[in-house]
Amino acid sequence: EDQVTQSPEALRLQEGESSSLNCSYTVSGLRGLFWYRQDPGKGPEFLFTLYSAGEEKEKERLKATLTKKESFLHITAPKPEDSATYLCAVQAGGSQGNLIFGKGTKLSVKP
Amino acid sequence: DAGVTQSPTHLIKTRGQQVTLRCSPKSGHDTVSWYQQALGQGPQFIFQYYEEEERQRGNFPDRFSGHQFPNYSSELNVNALLLGDSALYLCASSLRQGAYNSPLHFGNGTRLTVT
Repeated sequence: EDQVTQSPEALRLQEGESSSLNCSYTVSGLRGLFWYRQDPGKGPEFLFTLYSAGEEKEKERLKATLTKKESFLHITAPKPEDSATYLCAVQAGGSQGNLIFGKGTKLSVKP
Repeated sequence: DAGVTQSPTHLIKTRGQQVTLRCSPKSGHDTVSWYQQALGQGPQFIFQYYEEEERQRGNFPDRFSGHQFPNYSSELNVNALLLGDSALYLCASSLRQGAYNSPLHFGNGTRLTVT
């Protein structure tokens, strides 16, 4: 069964304290791994797509990496505005586009 | 460039009633998917529409049905509402079904409360 597990469930950081979020996945033929950011009361906002092991993508203070079993979202010198829930999702090889999401990691960055 | 828009933003219904949620996709997108997000959970796939047909369906009962119109907009209908249907309903659009480099773009959802 295809599934996605994210850890930790919640993470509290001080401003400037770098850390990483983990996304472990089991999928039959990975077609793509996606990271989204979701603010309270809003829909998920697309951040990155990763397609193959070894691939990396960067955007401002965020960097996503991918291995054959997991993905990491590294946050460098976070700011309070980075506080949000970060969702990881996979698209299986046999799917027509639907995503399987993890439960997310709720990140809080204190000034 | 208008993103994905959903209406209404909030809705309160009683058990047993029926509800219709609406979605307009991002400009240029032709595929619409619907997701249900319970509190504290990740979104769960309900179904996907392309060329006005349901192309793929998640593990949801027949009480959940949908429609896509020629202008690519979509509706989600839920019949015989249960308390457990209370959730944030998200619409997502993309370009062409299963396109390799077309990530899903989400709207801000409709918060449905069933009492």
